[in-house]
Formats: sequence, C-alpha cells, structure tokens
Amino acid sequence: QKEVEQDPGPLSVPEGAIVSLNCTYSNSAFQYFMWYRQYSRKGPELLMYTYSSGNKEDGRFTAQVDKSSKYISLFIRDSQPSDSATYLCAIHSNSGYALNFGKGTSLLVTP
Amino acid sequence: DTAVSQTPKYLVTQMGNDKSIKCEQNLGHDTMYWYKQDSKKFLKIMFSYNNKELIINETVPNRFSPKSPDKAHLNLHINSLELGDSAVYFCASSQDPAGGFSGYTFGSGTRLTVV
Repeated sequence: QKEVEQDPGPLSVPEGAIVSLNCTYSNSAFQYFMWYRQYSRKGPELLMYTYSSGNKEDGRFTAQVDKSSKYISLFIRDSQPSDSATYLCAIHSNSGYALNFGKGTSLLVTP
Repeated sequence: DTAVSQTPKYLVTQMGNDKSIKCEQNLGHDTMYWYKQDSKKFLKIMFSYNNKELIINETVPNRFSPKSPDKAHLNLHINSLELGDSAVYFCASSQDPAGGFSGYTFGSGTRLTVV
C-alpha cells in the first residue's frame, strides 16, 4: 500500500461549485499536512499547511485533517476557472527526510 | 528575483548523451532536493542535500549524480540518457531539513525529452 493515496481524477465542475479533494494515508506517525497547487507547466506551490486535526481556513480554501481516519481534505468554495490545476497533498512525519506526495488530482473548473 | 531557478527549462537530447541540469536558490535555505515527475504527475524524491551533505539517495540509477558546490546550488548530472529518463525534473528547497515545518519552494521544472 502506498503511503499516500489520492484519486487522480480528472474532476470537472462548473464555476461556483464547492470542490472537495481528498487524500488518505497509512502511517499514523504523519504529523504535517500540506496541499500544493500545480498549474500546467509550472512547479507546485504551497497552498495550505496544517499540523493538527480539524479545519484551517484561508479565503475560499479550507484544509481539513482527520487523524483518526487518516484522511485529509481540501475544500474550495465558489470555485473559479483560475482554480483549474493539479492539487497534490503532501504529508510528513518527524522521522522522515522528505515530503510524501500524493499523485495529484487534476481539477477543471468550467465557466 | 526568482526564488528557485532551474536551467534549462527544456532539454531534448538523444539516447546515450550526458546532460546536466542546474538549480540555484536565493532563499537562504539549507536543504535542497531533486524530484522527478512522471507523465501521470507523480512526484518522486530522488535526492536531498542538507548544507552540501547528501541526506537522501533514493533508488535511482547511478547514472544520476547530484552535485552541491555550495548550499545555494544543487546540480543534477545524468550519464548515458535512456528513453525512460524522459520526465519533468523539479528542484526544490526548504528551510528545515525535510520540509515538514515550512514546506518546499519549487523551481519551475526542467522538461527532459530523450529521443
């Protein structure tokens, strides 16, 4: 079993929809949870960072972590065409040497 | 004033050639990485250097050799290129040794095509 699982999509939604992106992980030692956004032909950029169970909000984006279920989510409210990108979850433990990335979910928001 | 810069952006080369990709960061970070992203967008760690010392060397063919002349630079040299080496290679840096506390800053990638 891979350490981080993420549905690759593609996911297509109309503008204004609420988007839910998810990852599951297998190692309960993971403590730090991130979401990266990658536009086509660009490098990934850090979007959200959290280290505890619960929700963290930043504008239209909410990151949610459920450590008991080993499940993390990213919600995008009022989605815009400019949100069309690949979203990668990344997870880390204190004993690790690098981030573990999910395979990324491709999102398309249509006008 | 680019934070992590990679050169070249595109590289098309024949099988069997040797090529290098350069990476420089001006963020003052101590740790730098090379990741390979395949056609399905999966990012796989290749190497990690902390203050010029090799920390991670994942299962990568020894045709790939990283070189860090100083903590702001991490170059990737590839010998005897193969078709399967075609991918996008990303350089990244982080403030802490694994990026868990601060995340990574990525370069814009080098798209390598081996023909």
